[in-house]
Amino acid sequence: GDSVTQMEGPVTLSEEAFLTINCTYTATGYPSLFWYVQYPGEGLQLLLKATKADDKGSNKGFEATYRKETTSFHLEKGSVQVSDSAVYFCALRGAGGTSYGKLTFGQGTILTVHP
Amino acid sequence: GAVVSQHPSWVICKSGTSVKIECRSLDFQATTMFWYRQFPKQSLMLMATSNEGSKATYEQGVEKDKFLINHASLTLSTLTVTSAHPEDSSFYICSARHPTGRNTEAFFGQGTRLTVV
Repeated sequence: GDSVTQMEGPVTLSEEAFLTINCTYTATGYPSLFWYVQYPGEGLQLLLKATKADDKGSNKGFEATYRKETTSFHLEKGSVQVSDSAVYFCALRGAGGTSYGKLTFGQGTILTVHP
Repeated sequence: GAVVSQHPSWVICKSGTSVKIECRSLDFQATTMFWYRQFPKQSLMLMATSNEGSKATYEQGVEKDKFLINHASLTLSTLTVTSAHPEDSSFYICSARHPTGRNTEAFFGQGTRLTVV
């Protein structure tokens, strides 16, 4: 079945540091890939997405590129802020068969940014 | 973006009682909603797919008699944890698919923290 593996956290950075959160996946066909963010006390919000190979999703300074050859979708940001402190989830949506439409999540990575 | 509201945000109940969690799409109609469960430091696990006007589709290993799902209208799905036990304590999150095309985005509620004592 489909699966998503995220780098384990927590990740602690100083403000303006570079961020990378690794995400790799296993899926049949051509899934869509997502990064969701969960701020304290809130629900999940879509941060960015990519629906086909080599697509780059970007939002709020975050970027991730859909790499089919390495089955990866790593999240990056050049300069993090304290307000980026949250839990980040990598997810995929199956391309067909019984997995279509369902989201499969990674385990989440807690990011804490200090001033 | 579209808004999905979940209620309550947290609940504490006694072992053996039942708890109902509501998931509402506030500004759109959702024919399909999803219920997830999240254990501490673990991923969100899909429990079931809730379809308006029909029976929910449960994932393998999820007890349908334990976790009752009702999707009676296009804006409301409910999850009832029946005869709750401490091992049911968890974070439950719903999502609703916005009906604007095949590959539509899913919007999430804020989650419900259930503690069974």
